Amino acid sequence: DTAVSQTPKYLVTQMGNDKSIKCEQNLGHDTMYWYKQDSKKFLKIMFSYNNKELIINETVPNRFSPKSPDKAHLNLHINSLELGDSAVYFCASSLVSSGAPSVKQYFGPGTRLTVT
Amino acid sequence: TQLLEQSPQFLSIQEGENLTVYCNSSSVFSSLQWYRQEPGEGPVLLVTVVTGGEVKKLKRLTFQFGDARKDSSLHITAAQTGDTGLYLCAGTQGGSEKLVFGKGTKLTVNP
Repeated sequence: DTAVSQTPKYLVTQMGNDKSIKCEQNLGHDTMYWYKQDSKKFLKIMFSYNNKELIINETVPNRFSPKSPDKAHLNLHINSLELGDSAVYFCASSLVSSGAPSVKQYFGPGTRLTVT
Repeated sequence: TQLLEQSPQFLSIQEGENLTVYCNSSSVFSSLQWYRQEPGEGPVLLVTVVTGGEVKKLKRLTFQFGDARKDSSLHITAAQTGDTGLYLCAGTQGGSEKLVFGKGTKLTVNP
């Protein structure tokens, strides 16, 4: 069974378009994240949600809007796509309420976004 | 400014060789994690270290957290082709669960 799933796997679109990426986790986790991995493989956090509440919001253009309809889903909507948005976007989840000193994050397979 | 510096950036070795990759910072971390990422997939957690000086072993992989909790190393003994991948270190600071990643070491083990 897939723990963290993302759709689509690949997304090719033109500049100026609006697109969404969906993420679902079936692990019963309370926290979900979006990361961006650039062409040099640098992985950087964008957002995190805990129980549908926004916790981390890094310096990300407001063209990016996350939405969490419930604890198991965290979608990412991107408006007015730009060339620089091309990257691989990873969703992840964790159980923060476990109280462990450092939580384990489970990553999805990624969505490769190409803006032309 | 990159908080976590990983070295080397690229490493190509022959099967059976030993290797060490490093993750260094001038800042203190409450925990350090090591992930391995294979092409087309998301990172997978290998280990978490939380105590200064801590050493953890996972089969042929040995992880160490520096005494001052500012650096970590990953040593692989008798590397195998299946060890090929991108190794990422990531750390947390204070009470935050926010993970800060290094830029990774791309390891290639040749048969």
